[in-house]
Amino acid sequence: EVQLVQSGAEMKKPGDSLKISCKGSGYTFTTYWIGWVRQMPGKGLEWMGVIYPGDSDTRYSPSFQGQVTISADKSTTYLQWSSLKASDTAMYYCARRSSGDYFEYWGQGTLVTVSS
Amino acid sequence: DIQMTQSPSSLSASVGDRVTITCRASQGSPNSLTWYQQKPGKAPKVLLYATSRLESGVPSRFSGSGSGTDYTLTISSLQPEDFATYYCQQYYSTRFTFGPGTKVEIK
Repeated sequence: EVQLVQSGAEMKKPGDSLKISCKGSGYTFTTYWIGWVRQMPGKGLEWMGVIYPGDSDTRYSPSFQGQVTISADKSTTYLQWSSLKASDTAMYYCARRSSGDYFEYWGQGTLVTVSS
Repeated sequence: DIQMTQSPSSLSASVGDRVTITCRASQGSPNSLTWYQQKPGKAPKVLLYATSRLESGVPSRFSGSGSGTDYTLTISSLQPEDFATYYCQQYYSTRFTFGPGTKVEIK
């Protein structure tokens, strides 16, 4: 069974750094793209970027380029901020891209709250 | 960048109603169009991919159609468990874009 398990909720202050994770199991992790999706409180889904763990090829949405860093190792993908802002408060989902062009399996989400 | 719009942004309907949601791309022709359902506090779930292909386990009352810039999700007979927010998503030129969502509420 394919599973994506994300790290737990985080409460941070503006200016803090943060790295959240998404661990895949039940399939060969390095052979499927994994994406990250932001959902701000009460808002819609926003694609942030995708990474291919096999070679770390990464593509970012122009809206998130330079704002976050996506990385991966052999079983886990990460989403990282160097300096959080209050506007980064959101639920963040990882999701496995299918062999086609959509996100077939989703993690449970990681809630990030940034507040002074 | 391609922008996606959805209409309506919300609707109220009764159990048994036929519901249609439209998704439009701002330009070009997406490589593929996917529909997701999201319930409060839950991750999105795929309903249809490649415009009209039903994801495994999804009831056949859900259907999709469209081409070019205009796509439609239809629920033939709305069930209580279908009250949720629906998003379209396109993939074009290495980028993914979600529509803003349509919230389906109980009348």
